[in-house]
Amino acid sequence: SQQGEEDPQALSIQEGENATMNCSYKTSINNLQWYRQNSGRGLVHLILIRSNEREKHSGRLRVTLDTSKKSSSLLITASRAADTASYFCATSSSNTGKLIFGQGTTLQVKP
Amino acid sequence: KAGVTQTPRYLIKTRGQQVTLSCSPISGHRSVSWYQQTPGQGLQFLFEYFSETQRNKGNFPGRFSGRQFSNSRSEMNVSTLELGDSALYLCASSPLTMRSLYNEQFFGPGTRLTVL
Repeated sequence: SQQGEEDPQALSIQEGENATMNCSYKTSINNLQWYRQNSGRGLVHLILIRSNEREKHSGRLRVTLDTSKKSSSLLITASRAADTASYFCATSSSNTGKLIFGQGTTLQVKP
Repeated sequence: KAGVTQTPRYLIKTRGQQVTLSCSPISGHRSVSWYQQTPGQGLQFLFEYFSETQRNKGNFPGRFSGRQFSNSRSEMNVSTLELGDSALYLCASSPLTMRSLYNEQFFGPGTRLTVL
C-alpha cells in the first residue's frame, strides 16, 4: 500500500499564480522526493530533501519538510502552462532504489 | 548520456500468457528499479536490482519476477497474465553506490501493457 497521501488531488490555476501541493507520509524517512509526470509518461525527478533539511529551493520550486508532522509541501511559483502535469511525492527509508509514492496531485495551469 | 530506455513501449497480451519487459539504465547506473502504475493503485514498487542482485521487493505475487545482467540492463517477467496486470510499467535507474546518500531515480518512458 502507498505511504503518501497528497492534497489536493486536483488543482486548477491561472498562469502566473502559485501552486501548492501537500504530501503526508506515515513512517520515518531518509529523504523525500518530488516527481512530475506528463500524460502517463515517465516521471521526472524535481527535487530531493533529506530528513535533516527543512527547506530547499530549485528555480521556481520550493519544498518544505516537517518530519514532526510527517508532511511536505511543494510550491511552484509563477506557474506556466507547461507546468501542467501530475506531481508525486515519494519517500525513501533507506539509500536504495525503493521509493513509496503518494497518490499524486494533478495540476492544470490555464493560459 | 542517453536516458533510461524501455522496450517495447506498447504491448498487448491475452490472459494466461507471459511477458518480458526490458530496461536499459543510464550508463554507469547500477541500481534498477521497477514500478507498476495503475489508475486504481497508483505507483507501486515492484523490485530493485543492484549489481545483479535483487535488493528490495514489493508486495507482488511470485508471477512477477526480474533479473539484472552484468551490464546493468534489467528485465522483468510476468507469467500467467491477469486482466489486472494491465498497467504502465516503469523502470528507473539510480546512480547509487555503497556510499552514496542520494537515491534520486531517473525514469524511462514506460511500457504500456494491456491484457485482454
